[in-house]
Amino acid sequence: DAGVIQSPRHEVTEMGQEVTLRCKPISGHNSLFWYRQTMMRGLELLIYFNNNVPIDDSGMPEDRFSAKMPNASFSTLKIQPSEPRDSAVYFCASSPPGRDYEQYFGPGTRLTVT
Amino acid sequence: RKEVEQDPGPFNVPEGATVAFNCTYSNSASQSFFWYRQDCRKEPKLLMSVYSSGNEDGRFTAQLNRASQYISLLIRDSKLSDSATYLCVVIRSSASKIIFGSGTRLSIRP
Repeated sequence: DAGVIQSPRHEVTEMGQEVTLRCKPISGHNSLFWYRQTMMRGLELLIYFNNNVPIDDSGMPEDRFSAKMPNASFSTLKIQPSEPRDSAVYFCASSPPGRDYEQYFGPGTRLTVT
Repeated sequence: RKEVEQDPGPFNVPEGATVAFNCTYSNSASQSFFWYRQDCRKEPKLLMSVYSSGNEDGRFTAQLNRASQYISLLIRDSKLSDSATYLCVVIRSSASKIIFGSGTRLSIRP
């Protein structure tokens, strides 16, 4: 069975550029989570969706970050404009109905902003 | 102060030893608790749930102490393959909050 799929796996971009990260959750899962992980701050929940609706976006750092989930099988996290402090590993995770704690993480996107 | 705190470690113990570490949480409204494991440069994976009555899965035992607001993970007869970072997760369903601790790094030496 395919797990959570993220693309790209690595992204290197220059400050000021727009970055779009993509996620395909596991089929049948109805919750989707975006996380950011750095050495300094650990794993931070940015936003999560339930049935394609954003439930908690209090972790989104600022207006430069936006996330969408147009359908049950696809989500994007966009950073515009990107800054060096956005460099991190961004994980997407999904969970089955009624079991938000049982999260299956994708392999992550390692973002470097120079 | 962070809502969920863990000793970052690293805990460096010999193979076969028993090791335990805790995770404290500050919000008494927290409802559900879990341990995840993350290998170096990999994604986190669910390890086990934590119940008030304690939860055992093979060599792993997780416990919850609501009065003192902490959860614990105990690993018996540790293996080299147990080397990883262990993240505790606290959920407050009423507020739709899911909070990961920063993780405790465990290193098992031969």
